[in-house]
Amino acid sequence: QQQVKQSPQSLIVQKGGISIINCAYENTAFDYFPWYQQFPGKGPALLIAIRPDVSEKKEGRFTISFNKSAKQFSLHIMDSQPGDSATYFCAAAEQGGSEKLVFGKGTKLTVNP
Amino acid sequence: DAGVIQSPRHEVTEMGQEVTLRCKPISGHDYLFWYRQTMMRGLELLIYFNNNVPIDDSGMPEDRFSAKMPNASFSTLKIQPSEPRDSAVYFCASRGFYEQYFGPGTRLTVT
Repeated sequence: QQQVKQSPQSLIVQKGGISIINCAYENTAFDYFPWYQQFPGKGPALLIAIRPDVSEKKEGRFTISFNKSAKQFSLHIMDSQPGDSATYFCAAAEQGGSEKLVFGKGTKLTVNP
Repeated sequence: DAGVIQSPRHEVTEMGQEVTLRCKPISGHDYLFWYRQTMMRGLELLIYFNNNVPIDDSGMPEDRFSAKMPNASFSTLKIQPSEPRDSAVYFCASRGFYEQYFGPGTRLTVT
């Protein structure tokens, strides 16, 4: 049973465009939603995270939008750059801590120059 | 800080052999996690420790897998005997206050 569903599997965007990756969950006990970025041959690295008490969080070109009623959250990358080409994972954890992160299957983003 | 350190980075072994993966967490972090990443199943949490004590090993696939954390600066994940379906990238991560920091991973190939 996949607790966090991520789409699309792959995404190709032109430089300067907006990349959008979506995730959906069922477990209403989830209250911590991070996004990780992974480059080939590297471990995942935390990019940005959000809690359900806010609907949006922005850090530089990266924005998380959160819709609690729809149980969905998404990552928007503005002004996408070739250096953003990587695999992005959404994740979720239940109330009380981020110990048991449940990851989506990942989205491979390619930003063409 | 050097970050989470894992060794070896690559391991190729034959089916039936014992494999030991090693991890040094970031100093001061009191949580340590072992994950497995495959194309089919994505990132899966195998086990995690808090203050060197195993808290949840429900993700360990079979009795062939075992993990230990003898002290705050070292952990091992052992597979005995190894099977071709164990081929994957194994990540160790540690956590201080909230964020999990991942190591570079060990790519395991079992032939």
